[in-house]
Amino acid sequence: GDSVTQMEGPVTLSEEAFLTINCTYTATGYPSLFWYVQYPGEGLQLLLKATKADDKGSNKGFEATYRKETTSFHLEKGSVQVSDSAVYFCAHMNTGFQKLVFGTGTRLLVSP
Amino acid sequence: ETGVTQTPRHLVMGMTNKKSLKCEQHLGHNAMYWYKQSAKKPLELMFVYSLEERVENNSVPSRFSPECPNSSHLFLHLHTLQPEDSALYLCASSQGVAGVGNEQFFGPGTRLTVL
Repeated sequence: GDSVTQMEGPVTLSEEAFLTINCTYTATGYPSLFWYVQYPGEGLQLLLKATKADDKGSNKGFEATYRKETTSFHLEKGSVQVSDSAVYFCAHMNTGFQKLVFGTGTRLLVSP
Repeated sequence: ETGVTQTPRHLVMGMTNKKSLKCEQHLGHNAMYWYKQSAKKPLELMFVYSLEERVENNSVPSRFSPECPNSSHLFLHLHTLQPEDSALYLCASSQGVAGVGNEQFFGPGTRLTVL
Protein backbone atom coordinates (compact mmCIF):
# COMPACT_ATOMS: atom_id res chain seq x y z
CA GLY A 1 0.00 0.00 0.00
CA ASP A 2 0.90 3.67 -0.06
CA SER A 3 3.53 4.69 2.47
CA VAL A 4 6.27 7.18 3.30
CA THR A 5 9.57 6.27 4.93
CA GLN A 6 11.71 8.87 6.68
CA MET A 7 15.05 8.57 8.40
CA GLU A 8 14.92 7.95 12.12
CA GLY A 9 15.70 10.88 14.35
CA PRO A 10 16.68 12.82 16.17
CA VAL A 11 19.07 14.55 13.84
CA THR A 12 21.44 16.70 15.90
CA LEU A 13 23.43 19.44 14.18
CA SER A 14 25.39 22.53 15.06
CA GLU A 15 24.27 25.90 13.75
CA GLU A 16 25.31 26.53 10.12
CA ALA A 17 25.71 22.82 9.37
CA PHE A 18 24.29 21.22 6.22
CA LEU A 19 21.04 19.32 6.64
CA THR A 20 19.67 16.32 4.76
CA ILE A 21 16.57 14.42 5.84
CA ASN A 22 15.85 11.45 3.62
CA CYS A 23 12.37 10.57 2.44
CA THR A 24 11.20 7.82 0.10
CA TYR A 25 7.66 6.93 -0.82
CA THR A 26 5.51 4.18 -2.24
CA ALA A 27 2.45 5.27 -4.18
CA THR A 28 0.34 4.49 -7.18
CA GLY A 29 0.29 6.99 -10.01
CA TYR A 30 2.01 10.34 -9.73
CA PRO A 31 1.46 11.82 -6.29
CA SER A 32 2.19 15.33 -5.10
CA LEU A 33 4.92 15.45 -2.46
CA PHE A 34 5.13 17.64 0.63
CA TRP A 35 7.32 18.53 3.56
CA TYR A 36 5.51 19.78 6.66
CA VAL A 37 7.15 21.20 9.78
CA GLN A 38 5.84 21.10 13.33
CA TYR A 39 7.32 23.49 15.86
CA PRO A 40 6.90 22.70 19.58
CA GLY A 41 3.32 23.11 20.73
CA GLU A 42 2.01 23.90 17.26
CA GLY A 43 0.23 22.17 14.40
CA LEU A 44 1.79 21.23 11.09
CA GLN A 45 2.77 23.93 8.63
CA LEU A 46 3.44 23.32 4.97
CA LEU A 47 7.14 23.94 4.32
CA LEU A 48 7.33 23.13 0.60
CA LYS A 49 5.77 20.97 -2.07
CA ALA A 50 6.34 19.55 -5.56
CA THR A 51 3.60 18.31 -7.83
CA LYS A 52 5.45 16.56 -10.65
CA ALA A 53 8.70 14.78 -11.41
CA ASP A 54 11.88 16.91 -11.33
CA ASP A 55 10.06 19.82 -9.68
CA LYS A 56 12.02 21.48 -6.89
CA GLY A 57 10.11 22.88 -3.94
CA SER A 58 11.81 25.55 -1.87
CA ASN A 59 11.03 27.80 1.08
CA LYS A 60 12.99 29.49 3.89
CA GLY A 61 16.27 28.07 2.56
CA PHE A 62 14.94 24.50 2.48
CA GLU A 63 14.79 22.57 -0.80
CA ALA A 64 13.56 19.19 -2.00
CA THR A 65 13.47 17.72 -5.50
CA TYR A 66 10.84 15.24 -6.73
CA ARG A 67 12.83 12.23 -7.96
CA LYS A 68 10.48 9.82 -9.65
CA GLU A 69 13.19 7.35 -10.63
CA THR A 70 14.25 6.85 -7.00
CA THR A 71 10.81 7.66 -5.48
CA SER A 72 12.50 10.13 -3.18
CA PHE A 73 11.97 13.68 -1.90
CA HIS A 74 14.92 14.44 0.36
CA LEU A 75 14.89 17.69 2.34
CA GLU A 76 18.04 19.82 2.36
CA LYS A 77 19.22 23.11 3.80
CA GLY A 78 22.67 24.56 3.37
CA SER A 79 22.99 26.22 6.76
CA VAL A 80 20.62 25.41 9.61
CA GLN A 81 19.69 27.76 12.43
CA VAL A 82 18.64 27.09 16.01
CA SER A 83 15.15 28.24 15.02
CA ASP A 84 14.91 25.32 12.57
CA SER A 85 14.65 22.89 15.47
CA ALA A 86 11.33 21.11 14.91
CA VAL A 87 9.82 17.87 13.64
CA TYR A 88 9.75 17.48 9.86
CA PHE A 89 7.17 15.30 8.12
CA CYS A 90 7.34 14.03 4.56
CA ALA A 91 4.00 13.24 2.92
CA HIS A 92 2.42 12.40 -0.40
CA MET A 93 -1.04 12.83 -1.86
CA ASN A 94 -2.60 11.27 -4.91
CA THR A 95 -4.33 13.56 -7.33
CA GLY A 96 -7.63 11.73 -7.36
CA PHE A 97 -8.46 12.24 -3.70
CA GLN A 98 -6.78 14.54 -1.25
CA LYS A 99 -5.59 11.95 1.26
CA LEU A 100 -2.21 12.83 2.74
CA VAL A 101 0.00 9.87 3.67
CA PHE A 102 2.63 10.89 6.22
CA GLY A 103 5.92 9.52 7.38
CA THR A 104 6.65 9.17 11.08
CA GLY A 105 8.49 12.49 11.27
CA THR A 106 12.14 13.36 11.91
CA ARG A 107 13.08 15.54 14.85
CA LEU A 108 15.81 18.08 14.13
CA LEU A 109 17.78 19.58 17.00
CA VAL A 110 20.13 22.47 16.18
CA SER A 111 22.53 23.70 18.85
CA PRO A 112 24.30 27.09 18.92
CA GLU B 1 -9.07 34.59 14.63
CA THR B 2 -7.21 33.42 11.59
CA GLY B 3 -6.37 30.06 10.07
CA VAL B 4 -7.54 26.92 11.85
CA THR B 5 -8.29 27.03 15.57
CA GLN B 6 -8.90 24.14 17.94
CA THR B 7 -10.32 24.01 21.45
CA PRO B 8 -9.48 22.92 24.01
CA ARG B 9 -5.71 22.76 23.59
CA HIS B 10 -5.41 20.20 26.38
CA LEU B 11 -7.96 17.72 27.70
CA VAL B 12 -7.75 15.09 30.42
CA MET B 13 -10.68 12.72 30.71
CA GLY B 14 -11.63 9.48 32.36
CA MET B 15 -12.70 6.45 30.40
CA THR B 16 -16.37 6.98 31.25
CA ASN B 17 -16.50 10.67 30.38
CA LYS B 18 -18.06 12.29 27.33
CA LYS B 19 -16.28 15.26 25.83
CA SER B 20 -16.04 17.06 22.50
CA LEU B 21 -13.21 18.61 20.52
CA LYS B 22 -13.94 21.66 18.42
CA CYS B 23 -12.29 22.90 15.26
CA GLU B 24 -13.04 26.11 13.36
CA GLN B 25 -11.51 27.28 10.11
CA HIS B 26 -11.49 30.93 9.02
CA LEU B 27 -10.15 30.31 5.52
CA GLY B 28 -13.33 29.85 3.51
CA HIS B 29 -12.47 26.21 2.81
CA ASN B 30 -15.05 23.52 2.12
CA ALA B 31 -13.23 20.40 3.32
CA MET B 32 -12.19 19.52 6.86
CA TYR B 33 -10.23 16.63 8.37
CA TRP B 34 -9.48 14.96 11.70
CA TYR B 35 -6.06 13.35 12.21
CA LYS B 36 -4.61 11.43 15.14
CA GLN B 37 -0.92 11.92 15.97
CA SER B 38 0.56 9.30 18.28
CA ALA B 39 4.18 9.05 19.34
CA LYS B 40 6.43 7.27 16.84
CA LYS B 41 3.57 6.60 14.40
CA PRO B 42 2.60 8.37 11.19
CA LEU B 43 -0.30 10.77 11.35
CA GLU B 44 -3.49 8.80 10.89
CA LEU B 45 -6.36 10.25 8.91
CA MET B 46 -9.59 9.63 10.82
CA PHE B 47 -12.37 11.50 9.02
CA VAL B 48 -12.84 13.73 6.00
CA TYR B 49 -15.76 16.03 5.36
CA SER B 50 -16.46 17.78 2.08
CA LEU B 51 -19.29 20.32 1.93
CA GLU B 52 -20.44 19.02 5.31
CA GLU B 53 -20.75 15.43 4.11
CA ARG B 54 -18.48 12.69 5.38
CA VAL B 55 -16.45 11.28 2.50
CA GLU B 56 -13.89 9.20 4.35
CA ASN B 57 -13.93 7.18 7.53
CA ASN B 58 -10.77 5.20 8.07
CA SER B 59 -12.13 2.36 10.22
CA VAL B 60 -12.24 4.54 13.30
CA PRO B 61 -13.85 3.02 16.42
CA SER B 62 -17.39 4.18 17.12
CA ARG B 63 -16.29 5.79 20.38
CA PHE B 64 -15.16 8.65 18.10
CA SER B 65 -18.10 10.43 16.51
CA PRO B 66 -17.53 13.37 14.14
CA GLU B 67 -19.97 16.15 13.37
CA CYS B 68 -19.74 18.85 10.73
CA PRO B 69 -22.67 21.28 11.08
CA ASN B 70 -21.31 23.69 8.45
CA SER B 71 -18.22 24.17 6.34
CA SER B 72 -16.46 26.21 9.03
CA HIS B 73 -16.92 23.95 12.05
CA LEU B 74 -15.94 20.38 12.83
CA PHE B 75 -16.43 18.49 16.07
CA LEU B 76 -15.13 15.20 17.39
CA HIS B 77 -17.36 13.73 20.10
CA LEU B 78 -15.61 11.35 22.46
CA HIS B 79 -17.13 8.73 24.76
CA THR B 80 -15.86 5.70 26.67
CA LEU B 81 -12.33 6.18 25.38
CA GLN B 82 -9.39 3.93 26.16
CA PRO B 83 -5.93 4.96 27.43
CA GLU B 84 -4.46 4.10 24.01
CA ASP B 85 -6.59 6.90 22.55
CA SER B 86 -4.32 9.42 24.26
CA ALA B 87 -2.74 11.43 21.45
CA LEU B 88 -2.62 14.79 19.73
CA TYR B 89 -5.74 15.29 17.62
CA LEU B 90 -5.22 17.60 14.69
CA CYS B 91 -7.82 19.30 12.57
CA ALA B 92 -7.11 20.51 9.04
CA SER B 93 -8.96 22.21 6.21
CA SER B 94 -8.50 22.62 2.48
CA GLN B 95 -10.20 24.04 -0.57
CA GLY B 96 -11.73 20.87 -1.95
CA VAL B 97 -10.81 17.20 -1.55
CA ALA B 98 -9.34 16.55 -4.97
CA GLY B 99 -6.85 18.17 -7.27
CA VAL B 100 -3.15 18.57 -7.66
CA GLY B 101 -1.22 19.66 -4.62
CA ASN B 102 -4.05 21.33 -2.69
CA GLU B 103 -2.63 22.42 0.62
CA GLN B 104 -4.13 21.32 3.92
CA PHE B 105 -3.91 23.89 6.70
CA PHE B 106 -3.59 22.46 10.20
CA GLY B 107 -4.70 23.68 13.58
CA PRO B 108 -2.47 23.50 16.67
CA GLY B 109 -4.13 20.33 17.93
CA THR B 110 -5.77 19.12 21.13
CA ARG B 111 -3.54 17.09 23.43
CA LEU B 112 -5.84 14.39 24.84
CA THR B 113 -4.98 12.25 27.84
CA VAL B 114 -7.29 9.39 28.80
CA LEU B 115 -6.86 8.12 32.34
